This record gives sequence, C-alpha cells and structure tokens, in this order.
Amino acid sequence: EIVMTQSPVTLSVSPGERATLSCRASQSVSNNLAWFQQKPGQAPRLLIYGASTRATGIPARFSGSGSGTEFTLTISSLQSEDFAVYYCQRYNNWPLALTFGGGTKVEIK
Amino acid sequence: QVQLVQSAAEVKKPGSSVKVSCRASGDSFSSHAITWVRQAPGHGLEWMGGIIPIFGTANYAQKFQGRVTITADESTTTAYMELSSLRSEDTAVYYCATDRGGLAVAGTGYWGQGTRVTVSS
Repeated sequence: EIVMTQSPVTLSVSPGERATLSCRASQSVSNNLAWFQQKPGQAPRLLIYGASTRATGIPARFSGSGSGTEFTLTISSLQSEDFAVYYCQRYNNWPLALTFGGGTKVEIK
Repeated sequence: QVQLVQSAAEVKKPGSSVKVSCRASGDSFSSHAITWVRQAPGHGLEWMGGIIPIFGTANYAQKFQGRVTITADESTTTAYMELSSLRSEDTAVYYCATDRGGLAVAGTGYWGQGTRVTVSS
C-alpha cells in the first residue's frame, strides 16, 4: 500500500507571502498526484492534477511540481481565501485506487 | 460541468447499515469513475472505494473490504454507497465525487456536498 506523507502539518504564513507544501510517496506514483483545498464545512476542491496541471478556474498563484516520490504545492502570494487545509492524493485510474496524505493546515501568521 | 446531489443526513444505531445516494446531473455518467471518500470529525480524507458504471465492478479500499458496497444505476444516474456493521468510528461526513470531460483523477474532480452519518446508540 502506498503511503502519502505531507509536511509540515501546520504552516503559518502572512498574507502576501509564499507558501510551500510538501508531499512524499512511499513509492513512485509517477505524476499521478493531485492537490486539494478544503475549507471548514466544505467539500474538498481539486486544485492540481497530473502533479502540475491546474484544474479549471484555479488561480495561477497555485502551482504544483515534482514526480516520482517528491511533490510540492506552491502558493506564490497567499490571499485571505487561501487559508485552508491542503491534501495531496496519489491516484490510479485503472484499477481505481487512491490515497490521501494527512493534510497541511495553512494558517494566518 | 456536473452537479452531484447527495442524500440527507442519517442517524444510525451501532450494528445497522446505512445507504447514501449520489445523483449526478449532466451526461457521461456511465463512463467516468465515481468515488466515495469519508471524513471523520477533525480528521483527514479517507478513500473508501469507487466504481466506473459502464464496467459495473467496484474497487474498495482494503480497510472497508467486506463492509462496503458501491453500486451505480445508469438509468437514474445515481450512485450508492452502503456501509454495514456500523460502529461509532464510522461517524463521519461521506462524500461522493466524479470526473467529467477529459479529467481523469480517479473520480475526484467534482464533489458532492457531503452526507453526515452519525452512529450512536
């Protein structure tokens, strides 16, 4: 079973600053890596898939990079609406399988 | 674009079963994966399993094998997740999700609003 590990657990950032979130897979997932944003009381929202492709409607300040086992989500200049929990997810379309990381909470410094 | 509408919140007794529905709008229901994910209070996201309706066979996370059944009704574009032998630890919000168009993220591109299931005696 592939284990996804996110770090840090909590990230304190000031508005306007850059945030860098990490995700590590216990074995290679190629580029089958997605990032989600979740705000309290809401369903998760897809930000990035294929490790680096922004989903429809996602602002350009969100970018993803990496392949294999090491991945990064960068938020270039944090806006007030970006404070949330972020999850990475490895996925396999056939057979269907996926695993989430434990999440990183981005909070206001 | 797709909209997923889930069934209302449920309160269940330990040992019973719950069946949550997820109705999808739009077309292409049968050819895209539908995934079920749950989130216990204060915890992260946990994949339970998924199905591609046109193929009919579901895949399940090992943790839920034997206790969860995921089905899809193409005629009503509705997916179902049934969880049996409920215990207090199954108290969570249950989400369905799916893909559309060229998006293929194991059925997690678009999400329903979630269904809260509370297991309590």
